Amino acid sequence: EVRLVESGGGWVQPGGSLKLSCATSGFTFSSYWMSWVRQAPGKGLEWVANIKEDGSEKYYVDSVKGRFTISRDNAKNSLYLQMNSLRAEDTAVYYCVANAKWGQGTMVTVSS
Amino acid sequence: DIQMTQSPSTLSASVGDRVTITCRASQSISTWLAWYQQKPGTAPKVLIYEASSLESGVPSRFSGSGSGTEFTLTISSLQPDDFATYYCQKYNSYFGQGTKLEIK
Repeated sequence: EVRLVESGGGWVQPGGSLKLSCATSGFTFSSYWMSWVRQAPGKGLEWVANIKEDGSEKYYVDSVKGRFTISRDNAKNSLYLQMNSLRAEDTAVYYCVANAKWGQGTMVTVSS
Repeated sequence: DIQMTQSPSTLSASVGDRVTITCRASQSISTWLAWYQQKPGTAPKVLIYEASSLESGVPSRFSGSGSGTEFTLTISSLQPDDFATYYCQKYNSYFGQGTKLEIK
């Protein structure tokens, strides 16, 4: 059974940092592109970032470039998202996605 | 960057109706497109992958078609469980704005 479990969400003040993690199991992690997708309260889905199987290519939506960093550890079957300089508009549920399989999401709230 | 444009944004329909949702890509994406269904408070669920392949376990009333820049999701006969929000997505990339399917 494919499982993706996100963690690391929480409340942070504007300008702060958080690191999200996604622990995976049930599939060959190192064979798939991985993505982070977010959904602000009451809004649609927004792709945030993705990373190639070996980590050699990374892509970001314009609104997070220079602030967020996606990474992966194939030995640990894990995906990460380092989020710096957080803004109120980054408030959302963040999902880890692999080959159209989704985790349950972790909530990030940026507020003073 | 490729933009995905989905229409309509809201669709009112009745049980038993046939409905179609359209997704357009700003440039060709071959068949690298997925369709998702999302219900409030839950993660999206994939319905269709590679534009027209039905995900295992998804009812056959759902179908997808298209390639290049024009894609459609069709529900042949709406069931009560189908009232939800639907999204298209270029693989590992941008989503359409979503279509909320409401009961008429």
